[in-house]
Parts: sequence; structure tokens; C-alpha cells
Amino acid sequence: EPEVTQTPSHQVTQMGQEVILRCVPISNHLYFYWYRQILGQKVEFLVSFYNNEISEKSEIFDDQFSVERPDGSNFTLKIRSTKLEDSAMYFCASRETGNYNSPLHFGNGTRLTVT
Amino acid sequence: GDSVTQMEGPVTLSEEAFLTINCTYTATGYPSLFWYVQYPGEGLQLLLKATKADDKGSNKGFEATYRKETTSFHLEKGSVQVSDSAVYFCALSSADYKLSFGAGTTVTVRA
Repeated sequence: EPEVTQTPSHQVTQMGQEVILRCVPISNHLYFYWYRQILGQKVEFLVSFYNNEISEKSEIFDDQFSVERPDGSNFTLKIRSTKLEDSAMYFCASRETGNYNSPLHFGNGTRLTVT
Repeated sequence: GDSVTQMEGPVTLSEEAFLTINCTYTATGYPSLFWYVQYPGEGLQLLLKATKADDKGSNKGFEATYRKETTSFHLEKGSVQVSDSAVYFCALSSADYKLSFGAGTTVTVRA
């Protein structure tokens, strides 16, 4: 069964550094998402992306965050200047259609640790 | 806005016990409802879904029925196994197309 893949599985970075988290969504999916889960807390929506532009973003997704689909397969999340509170598990997800009955398919996540 | 409230854990059970995790929701319109499961060290996997009132989603012995009158989507399994130990998330999706998650319930099944 096709799956969403994320790399790296674990990223350690120093505060103030830039990180790029990478995702390869399922190939025929058109809608892409990033979520994050701070340890022990809720899974929170960050951003949705369709047709090469952001559809919606949460209040968490401030100017230090950006997303890009640089080619036909990758979907990246960049954090420009990481803070300690950005430490979390980041999940990429994709969805085949815009129909909200259609489930999101998640990757295994990237654990980001900011020191 | 849309929101999901689910039973707080952790829940600890013995093998073959009955499991219920309560989930209620608030949404405008007619959302689709989902249960996702997160096994230790893994990502979120879709467990089951229901897209309209009175639908029952089922998978791997788990069931949940979409109850519009009580705005609930409780997850049940009649006889749990050690391999069911995981975090379970109730979620909804509606006209804004994004998925809103509950806080998650950690379930531990002891042999």
C-alpha cells in the first residue's frame, strides 16, 4: 500500500538554526498537510497546501515557518530560526481529494529536538 | 470552531477485556469522523471512519458508530490484545477540510 514517507526520522538542531523537514506524499494525492505534536500533547494543525499554495494555516504557523513543493514529489516544511518550543514530532499528511470524507494519510513523523 | 473531546487516559486493561474510549464532538454542518491509532514509535494510522449519521466504522475488531443525536463517536473493542496498546485519537473533518484531533487516549493492555 502506498504510504507517506518523511525524512529524517529524527533531527537535532541548535536554537536559531534553520531546519527543513521533508515529506514525500502519496503520488496521486493532491492535498498536503503538516501537523505537529509536542510531547504528551494534542496533534495540532499547522498548514494545508493545495495547487502550489497554502490553503489554510493555523496561528502556530507564523513567519518563521514556510512550506514548499519544490518538485512533483517532495513537500517540505522549513523552520527559519528554531526555538526551543519548536521541539515536537512533525507529521506530514496527504489526502487524495478535497472531499472531507477522504481520510488523511500520515507519515511516521520527524522528531525535531531543538537544543 | 470544530472540536473533539475524548476520554482522558491512561487506560490500563487486561487482555480480553472490553475497551471503550468516549469521544464527543462539536462541529458546524455534517462532519466526517475518524479514529486514528499511534503505536509506540510510529506515526498516525487510520483505524476507522464514518461519514454520516448512524454509519458504523469497523476495523481490526474495533467499532465506532456516528451518533448525531448525542454528537458522539465512541470507540469499542470487545476483547483487547497486548498488541492493541497504543494512543488512540478521535478526529473530525468538516467543511474547512482540515482534521481536528482530540487529545488522545493512551491504552495499555497487560498480558
